[in-house]
Amino acid sequence: EPEVTQTPSHQVTQMGQEVILRCVPISNHLYFYWYRQILGQKVEFLVSFYNNEISEKSEIFDDQFSVERPDGSNFTLKIRSTKLEDSAMYFCASSEQGQLGTGELFFGEGSRLTVL
Amino acid sequence: GDSVTQMEGPVTLSEEAFLTINCTYTATGYPSLFWYVQYPGEGLQLLLKATKADDKGSNKGFEATYRKETTSFHLEKGSVQVSDSAVYFCALSERRNTPLVFGKGTRLSVIA
Repeated sequence: EPEVTQTPSHQVTQMGQEVILRCVPISNHLYFYWYRQILGQKVEFLVSFYNNEISEKSEIFDDQFSVERPDGSNFTLKIRSTKLEDSAMYFCASSEQGQLGTGELFFGEGSRLTVL
Repeated sequence: GDSVTQMEGPVTLSEEAFLTINCTYTATGYPSLFWYVQYPGEGLQLLLKATKADDKGSNKGFEATYRKETTSFHLEKGSVQVSDSAVYFCALSERRNTPLVFGKGTRLSVIA
């Protein structure tokens, strides 16, 4: 069964360092998403991406964040200068497009980011 | 804005017990409602969904009914198993391919 894969599963970094989280969405999906969950809090939407551009983003997704689809398979989230409050589990998701799509999001296992 | 509120966990049940996890929502329109489940070491998986009022979503013995009058989508299962131990997330989406709005998640532990 096709699945969304994320790397790394866990990353520990120092405050102020750049971090790149990687995702490989399901191959025929066209919509891509990043969500995050700070420990004990809600899963929060960060950004959605379609047709090589951001389609929606939340208030959390400020100038420190960026997303990229550098090739036909990877979808990355970059945090330029990490802060302590960026410590969270980051989930990548993908979904089909169009009227035939169910609208269901398929999630990866998550990448846990710990900022020290 | 839209929001989802679900009961605080953790919930601990014995095998074969009845499960209810409450979920209520606030939305401006007529959202689709979802339950996602996260088993240990895995990603979030769609468990069931309902797209309009009075629809009942069901899967793996779990059920939830979209109640517009009470803005609720409570998850139920008649007889839980140890393998149901996971975190359950209620979520809504105002329209297809728009961001999901999640609740905090409810951790369920089922003991033999």
